Amino acid sequence: GQQLNQSPQSMFIQEGEDVSMNCTSSSIFNTWLWYKQDPGEGPVLLIALYKAGELTSNGRLTAQFGITRKDSFLNISASIPSDVGIYFCAGPPPGRDDKIIFGKGTRLHILP
Amino acid sequence: GAVVSQHPSWVICKSGTSVKIECRSLDFQATTMFWYRQFPKQSLMLMATSNEGSKATYEQGVEKDKFLINHASLTLSTLTVTSAHPEDSSFYICSASYGNQPQHFGDGTRLSIL
Repeated sequence: GQQLNQSPQSMFIQEGEDVSMNCTSSSIFNTWLWYKQDPGEGPVLLIALYKAGELTSNGRLTAQFGITRKDSFLNISASIPSDVGIYFCAGPPPGRDDKIIFGKGTRLHILP
Repeated sequence: GAVVSQHPSWVICKSGTSVKIECRSLDFQATTMFWYRQFPKQSLMLMATSNEGSKATYEQGVEKDKFLINHASLTLSTLTVTSAHPEDSSFYICSASYGNQPQHFGDGTRLSIL
């Protein structure tokens, strides 16, 4: 079935560092969504992207909708401890606007 | 805005019992609600999609008689896990959306079957 591939699977960084992660697909997506999930909680929507090339920021987070429509990236600047969690990309698979599928997530760890 | 409440947050029960989980959109009317299951260290897997007043659409491999979904109003959907067994233990998460807006998620229900 359709898959979203997230990279890297996990990251270990120092507080204050910038973070970059991406999400790719073999098919074209018309919408890219980035969610963050804290342990034991549901995902929270961070950024939604609807147009190829679109660059959108939400505080220290910036996400871009790739020109090819087959990828998206999420950057976090000046990471802080509360950034720890799992970041998921998601989007409606081709021909199915009635649901979204999720990538496997990027786990962000911040070293003390 | 866009708050989705899920209840209970945690339930432990004996094998063979049925468990009901509620999902409510608190500040908007949800035209569609979704139910997901998430196993430890894995991604969210869609189980079913429900629209108010109509039967739920289940994903391939999800037993509709095992996971009963009711979407009685624009703000409430329930998932009942019937005759639950240990392999049904998981984190169940609902989400709700209005029209083509992105889904907003509840905080999940951790189900443990003994």
